[in-house]
This record gives sequence, C-alpha cells and structure tokens, in this order.
Amino acid sequence: AQKVTQAQTEISVVEKEDVTLDCVYETRDTTYYLFWYKQPPSGELVFLIRRNSFDEQNEISGRYSWNFQKSTSSFNFTITASQVVDSAVYFCALSNTGGFKTNFGAGTRLFVKA
Amino acid sequence: EAGVAQSPRYKIIEKRQSVAFWCNPISGHATLYWYQQILGQGPKLLIQFQNNGVVDDSQLPKDRFSAERLKGVDSTLKIQPAKLEDSAVYLCASSLERINNEQFFGPGTRLTVL
Repeated sequence: AQKVTQAQTEISVVEKEDVTLDCVYETRDTTYYLFWYKQPPSGELVFLIRRNSFDEQNEISGRYSWNFQKSTSSFNFTITASQVVDSAVYFCALSNTGGFKTNFGAGTRLFVKA
Repeated sequence: EAGVAQSPRYKIIEKRQSVAFWCNPISGHATLYWYQQILGQGPKLLIQFQNNGVVDDSQLPKDRFSAERLKGVDSTLKIQPAKLEDSAVYLCASSLERINNEQFFGPGTRLTVL
C-alpha cells in the first residue's frame, strides 16, 4: 500500500522568510515517482516537480528547491524568500512503478503575510 | 494550448438524484484521471483511463459511480444516486503518458448534495 503524509496542516510565515514543507511517503515499490503540486485559491492544481526514485539529486528552480532522501522516505520542498503569491495549498503525491495509483497527501496550507 | 475543460463548474442536487460531469482533456493526452477532493483533503483518485480503457478503478464506489471515456478523448463521470457524502470537488486531469508524467488539472466541478 502507498501512503503520503504531510504532517503540517497549516504554516504561516512573513514575506521573505524561508519555509520548508515536509512530505513523508510509504511504498513497497522500488521504482516510484514523487510529485509536488500547488493549489492556489483559484482551485486549479498546478504541477511543480516530479522525481523518480532513482534520482536522489536535489533540485533548485528559482526560489524553489526540493530535497529527496530515500533513506528517510522524505521529499521536502523549500521556498526561499517567500512571497505573498506563494500562499496556496501544496500537495505531495506518489505514484507507483507503472504510473498507477497516484496518492496525494492531505496538503499543507501556506499563508505568506506581507 | 487549451487546458483541461470541465463542465459544469457548479452543481447542486438533492440526495438520491443523479448527476453527470464532463471532461475534455488536453489534445493528445492518452491518460485521463478523475479525482474526488473533499474539503480540506487531498485529491483521491477515483478512476484512471489509458486511452479508452480503464487501468485503475479500485477506489471508485461502483455501486453508484460510473465513468466512461468513449473514443479515448473526453470522459463522463456519473453518480447515481447521490449521497450527502458525495459533496466534493470533482477534478479531471490528463497526462501525455501514464508513466512519470505530470498531470494537468481542470478547474473542477463543485458538487453540493442537499
């Protein structure tokens, strides 16, 4: 069985602070895929990143960075110098070897105050 | 490039009534997903199509929910009869392929069952 846990329900920061969103996953597959999606107040989910289980390199894209650690089954997401526009719900997701059974975490709601 | 289209955007029905949602994925996308997102929770995969075939419907309540994707393009999700607990946003997503692919989400249909 697959499971994604996002223990942080809500996080509130002040603009320009750095913030890390945690994601812990469980799977029996040796090959799997991890994703982060953003759901802004408008409601439409937007893809941010995917990572396959063979690639443990951390990735940076502008103010966003991701830390994938298989040893701890974690795929954490950091926003550097947060902005008000980053306010949204962020979801971590996991799909299995064949690209089936995508499981989403419960999400972390991020509030960035000006 | 046009995004994933869904209609209607909102629907209010009485319990025990029937309702249908429509989704038109991005042109050329072979994989189509239907998710149920209850308020405050992450999306839950109901059914996944690869072209016009079902590849995963393990979480679809088949006694009341049905879905089809005729001709491998657009898709319809039906609930008959609806229950109060079906109140949720129903999200449609599509991806170019099944494996390791980002999903593009539509705006969703917000269903309220009274």
